Amino acid sequence: GDSVTQMEGPVTLSEEAFLTINCTYTATGYPSLFWYVQYPGEGLQLLLKATKADDKGSNKGFEATYRKETTSFHLEKGSVQVSDSAVYFCALSDKGNRDDKIIFGKGTRLHILP
Amino acid sequence: AAGVIQSPRHLIKEKRETATLKCYPIPRHDTVYWYQQGPGQDPQFLISFYEKMQSDKGSIPDRFSAQQFSDYHSELNMSSLELGDSALYFCASSYLSSPLRDEQFFGPGTRLTVL
Repeated sequence: GDSVTQMEGPVTLSEEAFLTINCTYTATGYPSLFWYVQYPGEGLQLLLKATKADDKGSNKGFEATYRKETTSFHLEKGSVQVSDSAVYFCALSDKGNRDDKIIFGKGTRLHILP
Repeated sequence: AAGVIQSPRHLIKEKRETATLKCYPIPRHDTVYWYQQGPGQDPQFLISFYEKMQSDKGSIPDRFSAQQFSDYHSELNMSSLELGDSALYFCASSYLSSPLRDEQFFGPGTRLTVL
């Protein structure tokens, strides 16, 4: 079945460092791809999405490009802030007959040091 | 803007008890999904409903059941609770009849602790 693999954490960076969190996927069809963020003690928030090959999703300085040839959707940010500390989940929508359940990666915990 | 509402936010139960979790989707959303997130784990899909009918089923134990009502709210019923059921339970909703059908909006979750 469809699956998502993302780099294990925790990832610890200093403020203003460059961030990359790798994500690859396996899917039989053409899923939409997502990055969700979960701040401590909170629910899941959609950070960005891309619905087809070569689409770039972006939000709050984060970017990810849907690469069909490498089946990847790596998350990047040029200059991280302490407030970016959270768990980041790469995910895809598994398009079923009537709905599109989401399959998540294991999550990557990000710590940003001031 | 209205968001997905879940109640209760926290629930503590004893082993073998039952629990009912409620989810109120965003108005006009026609699909509800339930996910379970164990401690330090990724969310796992349990079950979904589209237009009040079960749409898809994931790793939901037989002890659990769910339904979607005429007002589109959904309830997850959990019986014979086990320690391993302690988790954060998320509800998400979407509007499958729109071009943004794959965008799910998550509620804040219900944290269930089984003692």
